[in-house]
Amino acid sequence: SAVISQKPSRDICQRGTSLTIQCQVDSQVTMMFWYRQQPGQSLTLIATANQGSEATYESGFVIDKFPISRPNLTFSTLTVSNMSPEDSSIYLCSTGQGGLFNYGYTFGSGTRLTVV
Amino acid sequence: GQQVMQIPQYQHVQEGEDFTTYCNSSTTLSNIQWYKQRPGGHPVFLIQLVKSGEVKKQKRLTFQFGEAKKNSSLHITATQTTDVGTYFCAGRFLFRDAGGTSYGKLTFGQGTILTVHP
Repeated sequence: SAVISQKPSRDICQRGTSLTIQCQVDSQVTMMFWYRQQPGQSLTLIATANQGSEATYESGFVIDKFPISRPNLTFSTLTVSNMSPEDSSIYLCSTGQGGLFNYGYTFGSGTRLTVV
Repeated sequence: GQQVMQIPQYQHVQEGEDFTTYCNSSTTLSNIQWYKQRPGGHPVFLIQLVKSGEVKKQKRLTFQFGEAKKNSSLHITATQTTDVGTYFCAGRFLFRDAGGTSYGKLTFGQGTILTVHP
C-alpha cells in the first residue's frame, strides 16, 4: 500500500494567518482526500482532490477557506486560510484509488493545528 | 447526506473480556471498511467487507456485514492491552462527479473508544 509523508506534524499559528499542509505519496494515486478530526472525534471529509481538476468540497467547507492543490498524482496541499481558534484540529490526508471497489485508505500521520 | 451511526461511543473492558462495536447506515452501502486508530496516531485500515452477509476473521477479530448491507459489527475475543484505541467503521457510498464518473466516498462512524484494563 502507499506511504504518505505529511507535514508539518504540528503547528501553533496566530489567528488570521494561513497554514499550508503538504502530503507526498510514494506512488501515483488517482484521488486524495482531506479530513479534519477533532481530538477524540470522528473524521469529517473536507474535500476530494483529483489531479487536474477542481477539488470537490463537502457541505460546510468552501474553497476560499480550504484551498487545495493537486499538481500531480503524488502530491497535494491543503491550506487553512484566515485561521480562527475554531480551526484548531487534526488535519489528515489520505489516498484512494479511483473506481467503485478500491481497498482501504492509507492516511498521512496528521497535522495537529492549534490556533491562538 | 449519508450517515453511519456507530455504538457504543466508549467501552471499558477487563483484559480477557470480549468487545463488540456496531455500525448502522440508513441506506445501503457499497461496502464497509474498518479502521483502528491508536492514541495519538492516525487511522490504520483493518479490513473491507463487500458482500452481503460476509464474515471475515483476523486472529481474534471478527467482522460481519449485514444481509441488507446496512449494518456491520466488529467483535474482539479475549481483549488484550494492545487492542486499546478507537475503532471506526467507514461506509462507502457511491456518487458521481460532474463528469459522470462514479466514485466511492467514505463516511466514518463516530468511533468506539476501547480501553482495556490489565
